[in-house]
Amino acid sequence: AQTVTQSQPEMSVQEAETVTLSCTYDTSENNYYLFWYKQPPSRQMILVIRQEAYKQQNATENRFSVNFQKAAKSFSLKISDSQLGDTAMYFCAFTGKNTDKLIFGTGTRLQVFP
Amino acid sequence: GAGVSQSPRYKVAKRGQDVALRCDPISGHVSLFWYQQALGQGPEFLTYFQNEAQLDKSGLPSDRFFAERPEGSVSTLKIQRTQQEDSAVYLCASSSGQGARYLYGYTFGSGTRLTVV
Repeated sequence: AQTVTQSQPEMSVQEAETVTLSCTYDTSENNYYLFWYKQPPSRQMILVIRQEAYKQQNATENRFSVNFQKAAKSFSLKISDSQLGDTAMYFCAFTGKNTDKLIFGTGTRLQVFP
Repeated sequence: GAGVSQSPRYKVAKRGQDVALRCDPISGHVSLFWYQQALGQGPEFLTYFQNEAQLDKSGLPSDRFFAERPEGSVSTLKIQRTQQEDSAVYLCASSSGQGARYLYGYTFGSGTRLTVV
C-alpha cells in the first residue's frame, strides 16, 4: 500500500527567508505523480506544485521548488523568499497510474513571521 | 461553475441524526472524489465517481456512509445515525479526467465542517 509521511508537524520561518518541508513516500509503482497542496484557514486545498516521477528534473513554480529523490522516495518542498501569505498547512500527496485517489500525508503547519 | 461548491459550509448535528452534504463539481468534470479530514490530519479518501458510476467506495468507514451522483454532476454524501467520531471536514474534489489529474491535480471545494454533538 502507498503511504505518505510528513515528519514535521510544525515549521516556522521569518519573512524573506527560505524554508524546506520534508516528505517521504512508499510505493511499488514506477509511474506516479507527487503534489504539494496548501490549505489556508479557508480550508480549500490549493495546488502548489507537482512532479512526475519519470521526470528527473525538479519542478519549479516561482518561489516554490521541489527536491525529488526517486531512489530515496523523498519529495521535499522549498519555499524561497517566504511571505506572510504562505502561512498555511502544507500537504504532500501521491497518486499513481494504479491509484485513482490522492493519498495525503498528515501535513506541516507553516508559520511565516514578520 | 467556476469552482467546486460545497454546502452547507458548517453543519451541527445531534448524535443519531442523519445528515446530507452536497457537492457541486466544476461543470463537465467527470471525476468526483470525497475525502474526510479529521482535525489536525490529512484528508483521507472516502469514495470516487466517474460520471454517475461509483468506481471505488473502499474508504467509506461504515455502512452508515452513503454517496450518490445520480446524473453524473451533483453528488451527495449522506451519513446516517451520526456519531461523534464522524466530526470532521468533508472535502469534495473534481477533475476532468485521469490525465487532467496528473497534469493539474484536483480542484477542491472548501469543505463542510460537520460537528456531531
